Amino acid sequence: EPEVTQTPSHQVTQMGQEVILRCVPISNHLYFYWYRQILGQKVEFLVSFYNNEISEKSEIFDDQFSVERPDGSNFTLKIRSTKLEDSAMYFCASSLRRVPTYEQYFGPGTRLTVT
Amino acid sequence: ILNVEQSPQSLHVQEGDSTNFTCSFPSSNFYALHWYRWETAKSPEALFVMTLNGDEKKKGRISATLNTKEGYSYLYIKGSQPEDSATYLCASIKAAGNKLTFGGGTRVLVKP
Repeated sequence: EPEVTQTPSHQVTQMGQEVILRCVPISNHLYFYWYRQILGQKVEFLVSFYNNEISEKSEIFDDQFSVERPDGSNFTLKIRSTKLEDSAMYFCASSLRRVPTYEQYFGPGTRLTVT
Repeated sequence: ILNVEQSPQSLHVQEGDSTNFTCSFPSSNFYALHWYRWETAKSPEALFVMTLNGDEKKKGRISATLNTKEGYSYLYIKGSQPEDSATYLCASIKAAGNKLTFGGGTRVLVKP
């Protein structure tokens, strides 16, 4: 069964460094998302992406964050200058349609630790 | 209700017992409610997507109901098994959007 994959599973970085989190969505899906969960808190939406542009973003998704689909298979989240509060589990998701009744398929997450 | 809330946060169930738990969500501009099952170290797995008031969905021993007017959904597990141990997340979507707004989850532990 097709699945969303994410790499790495765990990333440790120093404050101020840039990180790129990678995702391979399900191949025929057209809509892509990033969510994150800070330890002990709810899963929260960051950004959605369609047709090579951001379709919606949350207030968390500021200028330090960017997303890209560089080659038609990967979907990346870049954090330019990490802060301690960026430590979280980051989930990528994809869906076939931009319709709320369609399921979003999630990857297993990347745990980002900023020291 | 302004946020999506789930209760209880956790519950222990004896194997073979049935259980249920609640998701509350804002009823204004509601479009859909998603339920996910999330086992530790795995990807959250979609269980149900529900849209209509009075909707009931079933998948094996797990079922869910939806009340959009009062803004709540129940998830039921009948005859709990150890493999049902997981965190169950609900998430609502408002009209004209597709971002999921999650509740805090209900962590279910089924004891043999």
